[in-house]
Amino acid sequence: DGGITQSPKYLFRKEGQNVTLSCEQNLNHDAMYWYRQDPGQGLRLIYYSQIVNDFQKGDIAEGYSVSREKKESFPLTVTSAQKNPTAFYLCASTITGDSSYEQYFGPGTRLTVT
Amino acid sequence: KNQVEQSPQSLIILEGKNCTLQCNYTVSPFSNLRWYKQDTGRGPVSLTIMTFSENTKSNGRYTATLDADTKQSSLHITASQLSDSASYICVVSVVGGGNKLTFGTGTQLKVEL
Repeated sequence: DGGITQSPKYLFRKEGQNVTLSCEQNLNHDAMYWYRQDPGQGLRLIYYSQIVNDFQKGDIAEGYSVSREKKESFPLTVTSAQKNPTAFYLCASTITGDSSYEQYFGPGTRLTVT
Repeated sequence: KNQVEQSPQSLIILEGKNCTLQCNYTVSPFSNLRWYKQDTGRGPVSLTIMTFSENTKSNGRYTATLDADTKQSSLHITASQLSDSASYICVVSVVGGGNKLTFGTGTQLKVEL
């Protein structure tokens, strides 16, 4: 899991509530990413940030929001607008946004919304 | 559309045996190909990363091959161990894509006694 921490490991919420997932890294990486993993599907990119105070939508950004106020932190908020939020969420980071660099993943947060 | 397809979807082998996992991709322009190991409920961990010019790369008992002409890669596991039981994910990155990755759905490997 390297120097990336995600908390909590398990999260339960009622439908209609917003929830924020934490991601912190001490690797001094510039770029950070949020992915969603569902059974039988490959990881899908939600949002990514290549530098502080800047971020871009990934392939499935609807219903999610992020902030990047500090280099070390990239929290993800799952809003009530996300129609199917129950999933395993993974945060990753890399030295820069250049594709030649390795992405390191956190341990993940499993979100269950009922 | 950029895609990464893996086969088989799942595989069961006996401890000590070898196995080979396959990955075909249509991602273009290709930057590099990675194999990750993901234990259940954990984040993926990198095994190998290969660029266009590399044909093979090893990491202990794991050996990855790449044929950029046919857009195929394989991951060979030698002398399997129970701890090799995991999902193995093939991942391809695009040139100039901001390190955006295209993920395969993975091969679920189970090693049994």
